[in-house]
Amino acid sequence: SQQGEEDPQALSIQEGENATMNCSYKTSINNLQWYRQNSGRGLVHLILIRSNEREKHSGRLRVTLDTSKKSSSLLITASRAADTASYFCATAAALSHTDKLIFGTGTRLQVFP
Amino acid sequence: GAGVSQSPSNKVTEKGKDVELRCDPISGHTALYWYRQSLGQGLEFLIYFQGNSAPDKSGLPSDRFSAERTGGSVSTLTIQRTQQEDSAVYLCASSLVSGGPYNEQFFGPGTRLTVL
Repeated sequence: SQQGEEDPQALSIQEGENATMNCSYKTSINNLQWYRQNSGRGLVHLILIRSNEREKHSGRLRVTLDTSKKSSSLLITASRAADTASYFCATAAALSHTDKLIFGTGTRLQVFP
Repeated sequence: GAGVSQSPSNKVTEKGKDVELRCDPISGHTALYWYRQSLGQGLEFLIYFQGNSAPDKSGLPSDRFSAERTGGSVSTLTIQRTQQEDSAVYLCASSLVSGGPYNEQFFGPGTRLTVL
């Protein structure tokens, strides 16, 4: 399977704590994107990091990318109950003319008030 | 609207019937994608349209699946003779450009298909 792997599969934390999710992938990439999904429906785009970038920030989100290890991490700081969702990484393969995304298996995050 | 829209939001059908799912991409986006999400397979790519180029159909699971994109905008995904294993959430996404490192894809809310 081309699918990427994410760990942990599930994560439970208290409000105010930080949450870290990791993603590994298999091919050379143009970019890696993180998405959030609530209740198994639409995916909300969180952040895109290009293959020549190592770190990117957006609000309480911090994403790192290590292309030598083919891995990425998503850090959510000062988590809130509203952050409860599933989080997916997705990669667009280098040298692909379609930019179809290959998704990871996802991390289910639960933040307790 | 500002985002990708899909209809219907839910569809229940009987095995053997045909279904059509619709996607309206973000205005001005040239690339359109269909994915599906099922319990056993996770999120998987189905088909990609870019302007007037031939679509990439490499992810379609069988010849019962087809898709069109008319006028470079709205797309319909058709599943003929539905089977129970077709039950899934079908997600549409669009992006402003394709190719290179800047391809942010924005997703619609999905259509949940249940085949009885």
